[in-house]
Amino acid sequence: QSVLTQPPSASGTPGQRVTISCSGGSSNIGSNPVNWYQQFPGTAPKLLIYSNNQRPSGVPDRFSGSKSGTSASLAISGLQSEDEADYYCAAWDDSLSGPVFGGGTKLTVL
Amino acid sequence: EVQMMESGGGLVQPGGSLTLSCEASGLTFSSKWMHWVRQAPGKGLVWVSRINSDGGSPAYADFVKGRFTISRDNAKNTLFLQLNSLRAEDTAVYYCARGMYYYDSSAYTSYYDAFDVWGQGTMVTVSS
Repeated sequence: QSVLTQPPSASGTPGQRVTISCSGGSSNIGSNPVNWYQQFPGTAPKLLIYSNNQRPSGVPDRFSGSKSGTSASLAISGLQSEDEADYYCAAWDDSLSGPVFGGGTKLTVL
Repeated sequence: EVQMMESGGGLVQPGGSLTLSCEASGLTFSSKWMHWVRQAPGKGLVWVSRINSDGGSPAYADFVKGRFTISRDNAKNTLFLQLNSLRAEDTAVYYCARGMYYYDSSAYTSYYDAFDVWGQGTMVTVSS
């Protein structure tokens, strides 16, 4: 049971815009920034978004993040087949004194 | 080439011990917080432990407290995780991850929990 809650799956067709939600509480998302990771099968995760909406160098601007209250969202616009992967949200948790992750969302490009 | 390479994983019996290593090359290591994150087969990511840049302030997830020990050798650009009293539920791929510094202006707070560089992972299997 993950501390942050994500839908287990999401899907879209090429070119569409899809969003993935991440819900937490006052001790994590409610008081700390959210980071997002992308993971392909059999590979290590990759940092996609940090500090709610900042993209590391090299991440396409098709990926964007937002946060409101105790929830956050990752949006992918102009969906491409290569975006098919697992996506995880994460945030520092003040109660646990460490980062917590969502359970992950498997994105399928139809 | 920027990379971090874990080693030391393997098959161990319940109650046994292992030491994982993570050697960094081509990147800044000594001034960065470092973390271990694990992923059980078919499951999600779970934070395990972290250590600050000079080796102080180690912290652990509750489920490994008293069993795992994190350490680092900045002269050798290497991070370690000593795993003791291993249980079947510790079976996972263990990743080392570098903690990127960033400042959240809305909270006036600095963070080190965005993992900007990851190793390829090392598999730990606990089974009799």
